[in-house]
Amino acid sequence: GENVEQHPSTLSVQEGDSAVIKCTYSDSASNYFPWYKQELGKRPQLIIDIRSNVGEKKDQRIAVTLNKTAKHFSLHITETQPEDSAVYFCAASGGWSGNQFYFGTGTSLTVIP
Amino acid sequence: DGGITQSPKYLFRKEGQNVTLSCEQNLNHDAMYWYRQDPGQGLRLIYYSQIVNDFQKGDIAEGYSVSREKKESFPLTVTSAQKNPTAFYLCASSIQGNNSPLHFGNGTRLTVT
Repeated sequence: GENVEQHPSTLSVQEGDSAVIKCTYSDSASNYFPWYKQELGKRPQLIIDIRSNVGEKKDQRIAVTLNKTAKHFSLHITETQPEDSAVYFCAASGGWSGNQFYFGTGTSLTVIP
Repeated sequence: DGGITQSPKYLFRKEGQNVTLSCEQNLNHDAMYWYRQDPGQGLRLIYYSQIVNDFQKGDIAEGYSVSREKKESFPLTVTSAQKNPTAFYLCASSIQGNNSPLHFGNGTRLTVT
C-alpha cells in the first residue's frame, strides 16, 4: 500500500518566520494530497490541498508544492502567528487504493511569540 | 465540520466489554471512514465504506466491526478482541471518488481500564 512519511515531527519557529513541513509518498499513482491542521483535542481540518496536475497552490500565507517525479510535497507557512501552533498532517490518496487516505505521522508546530 | 456528529465525546469502559461509537453525517456523502489516532502515530484507517451495505477493512481492522445500513450512519464497535482499545477515534466522510477531501467529526476518546 501507500506509505507517507512526514518530517520533521516537531518544529519551533519565531513568530513571523516561515515554517516548512515535508512529506514523501511511495505510490506514484497517488493524485490527491491534502493537508490538515489539528488543534489540541479537536478534529483535523483541511487547510489546503493539491492535485497531481498542479505543481503549486497558494492560499494567503499557506502554500503547498508538489514534485511528482520525486514523490514529495511540502507545506509552507509564511509570516507565522501563534495561532498557527498545532499539529499538521499530510495525506495522499487516489493511488491503487482509490478512495483511501494515507496520513503522515504529523508535525507539531510551535510558534513562539 | 458540523455535518458529522460523533457521540459520545468521552467513553469509559471496563476491559472485556464491547462498546459502540456513533457517527452520523448529513452531508449526503457516500464514503465514510473510521480512523484511530494515537500519539506519534498519525491517523490509521480501521474501516471504510463507499456505499450502503458495503465496507472494507483498513490497516488495523482486527478487533473492530462496523455496519453501514444507512447512508448517514457508520457505527464502529470496539470488541473485547481489540488488545489496546484506548485511543482517540475519528469518523470522516467524503464525496465518492478521488480528489475529494475528508471531513472529520469531533472524535470520541475511548478509555478502557
